Amino acid sequence: DAKTTQPPSMDCAEGRAANLPCNHSTISGNEYVYWYRQIHSQGPQYIIHGLKNNETNEMASLIITEDRKSSTLILPHATLRDTAVYYCIVIEDTGRRALTFGSGTRLQVQP
Amino acid sequence: GAVVSQHPSWVICKSGTSVKIECRSLDFQATTMFWYRQFPKQSLMLMATSNEGSKATYEQGVEKDKFLINHASLTLSTLTVTSAHPEDSSFYICSASRQPRGYEQYFGPGTRLTVT
Repeated sequence: DAKTTQPPSMDCAEGRAANLPCNHSTISGNEYVYWYRQIHSQGPQYIIHGLKNNETNEMASLIITEDRKSSTLILPHATLRDTAVYYCIVIEDTGRRALTFGSGTRLQVQP
Repeated sequence: GAVVSQHPSWVICKSGTSVKIECRSLDFQATTMFWYRQFPKQSLMLMATSNEGSKATYEQGVEKDKFLINHASLTLSTLTVTSAHPEDSSFYICSASRQPRGYEQYFGPGTRLTVT
């Protein structure tokens, strides 16, 4: 699985958009970009995933660059409940494989 | 979305005793479940992969005789920590994959184990 690089921490004002970057320069053509988050003392929560195209769901938007070497998770209107560690994971969508969690980005939403 | 539960949510046990943690997929069948461990201020580390009806696959450095995994049905996997030591105190999290939809893995809420 391709290695990912994320900033260790970010702050965001409540109500503003939170843009969380992820670098995955060694991503291969059949690997997806997944985002999960972990709120303190809870299990990780799936947010969104994508292959090439930008994706949007009720939680967030995922912007993947054309060369697929980086992506950005966007929380359009961050709330205090979005304070969490956000993990960007790159993995093939095949088989029964576990997720490899890096250090993630600790997002602190400020009131 | 799919729901995965864990029981208990927290447990305190004495050194040398065993404790069992259950992981259930409540509204889907999971042929594969994963067990992770998370120490304070660290990321999740995979311990083992649990396949229904077969032996679990353990990650390097995880003692299979200490962390017993049983996946007897398509909705239940159990992790038993045997002869617990204080260094086994951690946050244990399971996840389940709803095949064949790929990697929308669903995670349980976690179990906080404290060994005294």
